Amino acid sequence: KQEVTQIPAALSVPEGENLVLNCSFTDSAIYNLQWFRQDPGKGLTSLLLIQSSQREQTSGRLNASLDKSSGRSTLYIAASQPGDSATYLCAGGMDSSYKLIFGSGTRLLVRP
Amino acid sequence: DTGVSQDPRHKITKRGQNVTFRCDPISEHNRLYWYRQTLGQGPEFLTYFQNEAQLEKSRLLSDRFSAERPKGSFSTLEIQRTEQGDSAMYLCASSPSRQLAKNIQYFGAGTRLSVL
Repeated sequence: KQEVTQIPAALSVPEGENLVLNCSFTDSAIYNLQWFRQDPGKGLTSLLLIQSSQREQTSGRLNASLDKSSGRSTLYIAASQPGDSATYLCAGGMDSSYKLIFGSGTRLLVRP
Repeated sequence: DTGVSQDPRHKITKRGQNVTFRCDPISEHNRLYWYRQTLGQGPEFLTYFQNEAQLEKSRLLSDRFSAERPKGSFSTLEIQRTEQGDSAMYLCASSPSRQLAKNIQYFGAGTRLSVL
């Protein structure tokens, strides 16, 4: 069974800090890895997608990396802002299927 | 609004009642997905359509659940004889058949179901 795990489950930081969210997966058959943001009671917004052939992707203050050999991905957020407060979910895409397998998320609070 | 649309946004029902949710995907997206998300957890895959064909179903989709996409456009998810354990957010996503990267999915805002 494919599993995706996110650590930590919750994180509270003061504004301006750089932070790292972790995602690990057990199945090397994961084809790509996506990071999503979810605000309370809302749907998911895709942030970054990393293909299995890539090592990292960047968008603004966000940088995501992927290491398939170790089964790990990280999301780095630079100079965090209160508006970054949300739940961040990672999801693995399988080569043999179109479904996404999600972790439980990291709830981030950035304090002003 | 050209995003994925879900209706209703919230549904409160009594145990044992049937409920139906609707999802309108992004225009011309031929792939449509349903996920379920319980509090504090990530979404779990339920089922996937390519056009009107239901190609994959999770074991989570018990016989009380049925999904359809009759004309390959909008989709409905019906839950019969609802149970309290069905309380969750039901998310719909869609993707085009031709895309630069497989597995990119665009999510709707979800339907939150509360079974009393």
